[in-house]
Amino acid sequence: SQKIEQNSEALNIQEGKTATLTCNYTNYSPAYLQWYRQDPGRGPVFLLLIRENEKEKRKERLKVTFDTTLKQSLFHITASQPADSATYLCALDEGYSSASKIIFGSGTRLSIRP
Amino acid sequence: DAGVIQSPRHEVTEMGQEVTLRCKPISGHDYLFWYRQTMMRGLELLIYFNNNVPIDDSGMPEDRFSAKMPNASFSTLKIQPSEPRDSAVYFCASSLNRGGTGGTEAFFGQGTRLTVV
Repeated sequence: SQKIEQNSEALNIQEGKTATLTCNYTNYSPAYLQWYRQDPGRGPVFLLLIRENEKEKRKERLKVTFDTTLKQSLFHITASQPADSATYLCALDEGYSSASKIIFGSGTRLSIRP
Repeated sequence: DAGVIQSPRHEVTEMGQEVTLRCKPISGHDYLFWYRQTMMRGLELLIYFNNNVPIDDSGMPEDRFSAKMPNASFSTLKIQPSEPRDSAVYFCASSLNRGGTGGTEAFFGQGTRLTVV
């Protein structure tokens, strides 16, 4: 069956450290992988998109990797801050055709302690 | 643009009643998605539209759920009759021009928190 698994429900990190979140998938062939941030009581907000032929993408303190052989994406936040505390969702987009759709993992709740 | 607009923000209804959730996507976007979020099941895709046409409704849980998109600027998700297990946050999202040209981000509304008692 198709699955998108994010490695843990919750992650607690000391401020200033690098937070690493994992997204693994099975029985999907995504053309794109996206990461979103969700704050309590709000809808998810897009952060980064990486294509299947890209190994790594960066945006400010964020870095995403995409390994289609391992069927895994890693999401890194460097120099983490308490304001980074939120739930982070990975999403698969099979792309290419009008029949494709965006499917989300269950999310990882990240807490950055001062 | 004001973003994706959903209404109502909160809805409390009694079991058996009909519930209609509304969504106005971002102008010019050609994809519209309806999601449901619960603690147990996360963010589930219910149905999505491309150019107002339903493409995949395999995520709709039961025949009690139906969705329409009569025009490019409006969509509804209806539950009739509602049950307590339908209690969740329902999100609408829209995106632009994904037809074979590359993945693009989805823009989400604030959600409708539905409570069925």
